[in-house]
Amino acid sequence: ELKVEQNPLFLSMQEGKNYTIYCNYSTTSDRLYWYRQDPGKSLESLFVLLSNGAVKQEGRLMASLDTKARLSTLHITAAVHDLSATYFCAVDTQENSGGSNYKLTFGKGTLLTVNP
Amino acid sequence: GAGVSQSPRYKVTKRGQDVALRCDPISGHVSLYWYRQALGQGPEFLTYFNYEAQQDKSGLPNDRFSAERPEGSISTLTIQRTEQRDSAMYRCASSLGARTSPYEQFFGPGTRLTVL
Repeated sequence: ELKVEQNPLFLSMQEGKNYTIYCNYSTTSDRLYWYRQDPGKSLESLFVLLSNGAVKQEGRLMASLDTKARLSTLHITAAVHDLSATYFCAVDTQENSGGSNYKLTFGKGTLLTVNP
Repeated sequence: GAGVSQSPRYKVTKRGQDVALRCDPISGHVSLYWYRQALGQGPEFLTYFNYEAQQDKSGLPNDRFSAERPEGSISTLTIQRTEQRDSAMYRCASSLGARTSPYEQFFGPGTRLTVL
């Protein structure tokens, strides 16, 4: 059974500081996703990482993937209050039924609070 | 452009009643997924369609839960004889197709189900 673990689960940061959220998964995966969720809102797609060594950046967020270590990181640079949200990583796995199912398995999420 | 829409946004029902939750995916999206999200947790996979074919229903908790997508577009998740433990946020997501870039699933706003 695929397991996805994020840490930390709670992160309180000061504005201007840097930090990293980690996402470990237990089995070989095809793709890794990062989503953002604001309170009471839906999930917003941030990044899709497709291969070992993939790195993607958008604004103050940068995501990377190491498939050998089964690890993805989400690095936050010079945090601002607007980044406060819950961040989820998710992994999809090709089922044995001919590769037609790519359901996502999510981590528990990291609740990020950026304080002034 | 229009995203994934779900209705109703909120549903309060009494234990034992049946409920039907509707999902309207992004136009042209082949794949449609249903997830359930408990408070403070990541979404949990329920079932998945490619066009009108239900490819995987392994995440449905029991036989009170069913889903259909008869014309390959709108989908309905039905819960029969609801129980209090069914209370959760039910989210629908769609994608171009599991084998089609950019692969990511786009989530709807969800239906908050409360069973009294």
